[in-house]
Amino acid sequence: AQTVTQSQPEMSVQEAETVTLSCTYDTSENNYYLFWYKQPPSRQMILVIRQEAYKQQNATENRFSVNFQKAAKSFSLKISDSQLGDTAMYFCAFMNYGGATNKLIFGTGTLLAVQP
Amino acid sequence: GAVVSQHPSWVICKSGTSVKIECRSLDFQATTMFWYRQFPKQSLMLMATSNEGSKATYEQGVEKDKFLINHASLTLSTLTVTSAHPEDSSFYICSATQPRGTVGQPQHFGDGTRLSIL
Repeated sequence: AQTVTQSQPEMSVQEAETVTLSCTYDTSENNYYLFWYKQPPSRQMILVIRQEAYKQQNATENRFSVNFQKAAKSFSLKISDSQLGDTAMYFCAFMNYGGATNKLIFGTGTLLAVQP
Repeated sequence: GAVVSQHPSWVICKSGTSVKIECRSLDFQATTMFWYRQFPKQSLMLMATSNEGSKATYEQGVEKDKFLINHASLTLSTLTVTSAHPEDSSFYICSATQPRGTVGQPQHFGDGTRLSIL
């Protein structure tokens, strides 16, 4: 069974600084997808970034980028130029390529606080 | 695009009543919808996977008679908490994904429903 681990329950960063959130996962599959979702205090789940395991190039979305290390089963999220609006719970999630229902397996989350 | 609407956003009711939560995909057809429960400062716990036109698949430990799921159309799934009790109070979130076969499509989430049972 696949598992997703986020070892940092809470993190803090100063506004305009860069922060990296860690995520590791365990799977025996070769093809899969990885996601980072953000959940601000409003509790809405927002997709931040998506990575296909068969792509070597790391995904980027504006200030958000990932460091995908397939051999190490690591998928960290880097937030550059942190903004107050980035304050949220961040969840790493795994989706098996062969799954029929696009089911997600979530990590336990990292609560990020951006300080002014 | 890919908007999911969940209603109601907040409900308070007395113990013993049944509560229905709706999840609609507004601009795409969702063959599959998911229902999650989330406790404060915790991750999302998958309750069930709902496929249009068929019975929902419940995760281990989730009472199917307590949490009734109906996915009658490609744009609507409902979760009914039957005979709700205070321990059912929680935050419930639905999500929807595009048709089966569209591999790797992300789940799109509703805004959640805060359920409080008195």
